[in-house]
Amino acid sequence: KAGVTQTPRYLIKTRGQQVTLSCSPISGHRSVSWYQQTPGQGLQFLFEYFSETQRNKGNFPGRFSGRQFSNSRSEMNVSTLELGDSALYLCASSPERPGNYEQYFGPGTRLTVT
Amino acid sequence: AQSVTQLGSHVSVSEGALVLLRCNYSSSVPPYLFWYVQYPNQGLQLLLKYTSAATLVKGINGFEAEFKKSETSFHLTKPSAHMSDAAEYFCAVRVYTGKLIFGQGTTLQVKP
Repeated sequence: KAGVTQTPRYLIKTRGQQVTLSCSPISGHRSVSWYQQTPGQGLQFLFEYFSETQRNKGNFPGRFSGRQFSNSRSEMNVSTLELGDSALYLCASSPERPGNYEQYFGPGTRLTVT
Repeated sequence: AQSVTQLGSHVSVSEGALVLLRCNYSSSVPPYLFWYVQYPNQGLQLLLKYTSAATLVKGINGFEAEFKKSETSFHLTKPSAHMSDAAEYFCAVRVYTGKLIFGQGTTLQVKP
């Protein structure tokens, strides 16, 4: 099976702009989670989608949003970018079935805000 | 609240030596625990998982971890370190559907 794919791999944006990141999960996985990774804060949970519904959300401002499509692909959007949004954004997919809660991560999108 | 603590942000071992990376968790319910590895400029790769089926869990690349409820620990070990094991390692606990809480990570350095 193909792994989790994320596009683009690298992005450079200017403060105030918005950005959309894309994630394609492993075939058959209906749960997609997003994480932000920074040197200072480590790995932090953004949100999780399952069957096109956001089930859980982390402690991030409303500028961070996401959605999931019927084919389980997911996008996250960050509006009005700030310098502090520079990070590696990781997407993970999971079977989310009893006994199978492990998450498989994509390579990430490196976002730099200048 | 559930949490994960990794003791030691940086561990250095010689090639061929035992690798021991420490993880303690806090959970009010039986936990689902995971170890991930991250190589530079890459995502996280799942090494192994604990889901209550067995306390000693074997993973990929010769790694294993032992779940000790009395110590609330899930330490990662490998009998003999290889240069290719140099990376950052993360312990994580599943909090609820779709959410993992990660430790701060441990960077493993392997010296020749």
